[in-house]
This record gives sequence, C-alpha cells and structure tokens, in this order.
Amino acid sequence: GAVVSQHPSWVICKSGTSVKIECRSLDFQATTMFWYRQFPKQSLMLMATSNEGSKATYEQGVEKDKFLINHASLTLSTLTVTSAHPEDSSFYICSARDSRTPNSPLHFGNGTRLTVT
Amino acid sequence: DQQVKQNSPSLSVQEGRISILNCDYTNSMFDYFLWYKKYPAEGPTFLISISSIKDKNEDGRFTVFLNKSAKHLSLHIVPSQPGDSAVYFCAAVITGANSKLTFGKGITLSVRP
Repeated sequence: GAVVSQHPSWVICKSGTSVKIECRSLDFQATTMFWYRQFPKQSLMLMATSNEGSKATYEQGVEKDKFLINHASLTLSTLTVTSAHPEDSSFYICSARDSRTPNSPLHFGNGTRLTVT
Repeated sequence: DQQVKQNSPSLSVQEGRISILNCDYTNSMFDYFLWYKKYPAEGPTFLISISSIKDKNEDGRFTVFLNKSAKHLSLHIVPSQPGDSAVYFCAAVITGANSKLTFGKGITLSVRP
C-alpha cells in the first residue's frame, strides 16, 4: 500500500534554532502534500498545502515566514520551522495522496514530535 | 470554529460488543467523510469513508452511517476487538482540486478483553 515516510520522528532543539522535517511518498508521486499540526487533545489542524513546483498555500493564522515549505520533487516536501520557540512545540504530521488517484484517501506519515527548549 | 465535532473524548466497550463512535459537522458543503485510526506514536491510517450520496458504507467489521439532514455520521465496529483500541478521527472534505481534510478532535476507544 501507499506509504508516506516522515523524518525525524522526534527532535529536541533550542529556542532560536531551525528544524527541518522531511516528508516522502515512497511508492507514489504526489503533486500536493499537506502539513498538519496537533496540540495535545486537539484535532489535527491543517497548516499548509505544499504544491510541487510552486509556492505553498498557508492556512489563516499560519506564518509563512516561520514555517517554510519546499516541495522540490514529486516525492518530497520539507517543512522548516525557523527560529523555533517553545510555543512551536507540537506534533507535526504530513500527508499525501497519489496524484493519479485524486479522490483517494490521504496517507499520513508517522509524525514528528518537536520539543523546543 | 470547530466544523467537525467529536463530542465524546473517550469510549470504553467490552470485547465482542458493538462500538459506536459519533461525529457531527456544521458545514453543509462537506461531501465526503472519512474515519482514521491512530495508534500512539504513529500517523493516522485510513479506515473507511463515505460519500454524501450514500447513507451507509460497510467494510468487514466497520460500518459508517451518514445522516445528512442531521449532519451526523457514526462509525460502528462490531464485534469490537482489543486491537481496535486507538484514537479515531472523523474527517470531512469538500472534494475538489485541493481537497483539504477537516478533522475532529478524536475519540479514544478502549476495548476491554
């Protein structure tokens, strides 16, 4: 079945540093990938839509200069949390679907637990 | 503004019995609904879905019912098994070129042996 690989699974960084999270579709191509964030006991909240070869689309309230998204190929999207602060500590999850089947369900990575100290 | 609501944070059932997980939505434009299952430290995995043109979809032990007039859907698991213990997320989408999922907060299901 379709697999989405997300790396790293957890990261601890100091305040002010930047962290890059990778999301790869392993056996399919994805022109669009989605980045979600989940705070404890809250729902998965869409942060942005990553578009291969063009700029990402950010949801209202998400700072595009803080959460840099790059979708350089049909199988890789990256999310960089720049100048991280403790309030950025959260669980970040990416998702993607096979571009050949646009109505198929999204497949999710295993998520990245970010802790900013 | 929570467009997809899962008002019960948890549910505990006995093995072999039926589990009923409820979900309500407010946006009448949603036309496709999905249930995802999530184990700790893993990403959500797709379980079952239903289009708004249907009122029921069944896949093995899992059945999803949709009541559009009430803007309500439910996931039935029968018989429940201990391996079903997980967090279940209801999600809704307005289908189109950039189909973005809107998730509920999730329900933690515990199936007691």
